[in-house]
Amino acid sequence: RKEVEQDPGPFNVPEGATVAFNCTYSNSASQSFFWYRQDCRKEPKLLMSVYSSGNEDGRFTAQLNRASQYISLLIRDSKLSDSATYLCVVKANQAGTALIFGKGTTLSVSS
Amino acid sequence: GAGVSQTPSNKVTEKGKYVELRCDPISGHTALYWYRQSLGQGPEFLIYFQGTGAADDSGLPNDRFFAVRPEGSVSTLKIQRTERGDSAVYLCASSFSEGKQFFGPGTRLTVL
Repeated sequence: RKEVEQDPGPFNVPEGATVAFNCTYSNSASQSFFWYRQDCRKEPKLLMSVYSSGNEDGRFTAQLNRASQYISLLIRDSKLSDSATYLCVVKANQAGTALIFGKGTTLSVSS
Repeated sequence: GAGVSQTPSNKVTEKGKYVELRCDPISGHTALYWYRQSLGQGPEFLIYFQGTGAADDSGLPNDRFFAVRPEGSVSTLKIQRTERGDSAVYLCASSFSEGKQFFGPGTRLTVL
């Protein structure tokens, strides 16, 4: 079983749609959680950190359920520019430990 | 300010050859990471440096892979006797200690 598993995708949605991505992680010692965005042939870039209390950044909302080891990302009012691959990422709490990435879920927003 | 830079951006080599991939981290970042991303996969950890020393090399797939960071800044990932399965994008990231990791644009390695 992979450490981080994501919805297989791809997700094809029209502009203005709401789309949700789910992710589960296997290592209960994981302490930090993130969503990264990766555009085609580009490097991953941090979209947002994820906290147990949930956090929102504009149209993006991330949630963490530690008991279920489950992470989600909700995108409201999708824009064409949201088209990308979204990577679910976890990290143990020790200093300097590596990021563990899921395979990513591809989102394509069409007009 | 300048971000993480990696050279070359693309490298095509033949099976069995030796390659070196270079990473210039953000100035002042003490931590440096190498990841490898195969097509359709997320990045996978290879090795982590804190300063000059490799603090964690558990992700290196075998002894053909080696990395150095002699002065605690620039790092070189070295791959001996390349195989077709080594073809991937090699990503470098740097951070202040355990902080946010900033990624470079990657080196796309193709082994023919």
